[in-house]
Amino acid sequence: DTAVSQTPKYLVTQMGNDKSIKCEQNLGHDTMYWYKQDSKKFLKIMFSYNNKELIINETVPNRFSPKSPDKAHLNLHINSLELGDSAVYFCASRGDGRLKTDTQYFGPGTRLTVL
Amino acid sequence: GNSVTQMEGPVTLSEEAFLTINCTYTATGYPSLFWYVQYPGEGLQLLLKATKADDKGSNKGFEATYRKETTSFHLEKGSVQVSDSAVYFCALQGGSEKLVFGKGMKLTVNP
Repeated sequence: DTAVSQTPKYLVTQMGNDKSIKCEQNLGHDTMYWYKQDSKKFLKIMFSYNNKELIINETVPNRFSPKSPDKAHLNLHINSLELGDSAVYFCASRGDGRLKTDTQYFGPGTRLTVL
Repeated sequence: GNSVTQMEGPVTLSEEAFLTINCTYTATGYPSLFWYVQYPGEGLQLLLKATKADDKGSNKGFEATYRKETTSFHLEKGSVQVSDSAVYFCALQGGSEKLVFGKGMKLTVNP
């Protein structure tokens, strides 16, 4: 009964390849996010989707393209992978409470290594 | 823009020691404040939160009080355990709905 799940957990690939990371939440939440955690553990938001619509895009290169086929899924596709893309990517989701301050629930993370 | 500044560590303590991790923030309006914890090899888990001034969040023996006058949300625990070894993140969520994180602090507790 995992709330927010991501696949794969580990991803090792060569520079220049295209890869996708999948995220699914079974919490019935309307808003989903992608965060990037760099090698120094610093976490920064990349994207936010609400009910399949893009809400936040934090100056992320065009090589990164989120796709939300339905409100329970938010996948992250990365084209032409670069060494600097190596990081841990976290998906999160949040309920759409009236005050919009509800807790964000995080997935287990996907460790991407670009060689 | 909104920002969070927290102790970066790393910090090593002995079991049963007192823990304080300082966190201060800059934000417009009235953000919600959070502490998230990341245990080795795992994802982020919410530890506690506070949504308005003077609220105290508490969980697993950890506490933090939302202090608007000092723009702080310091995390404390009276007696740490080996199982508390983790990376701790202070975060705020303002009107834009995105979480802004501090840089995280790695805590190691030795027996």
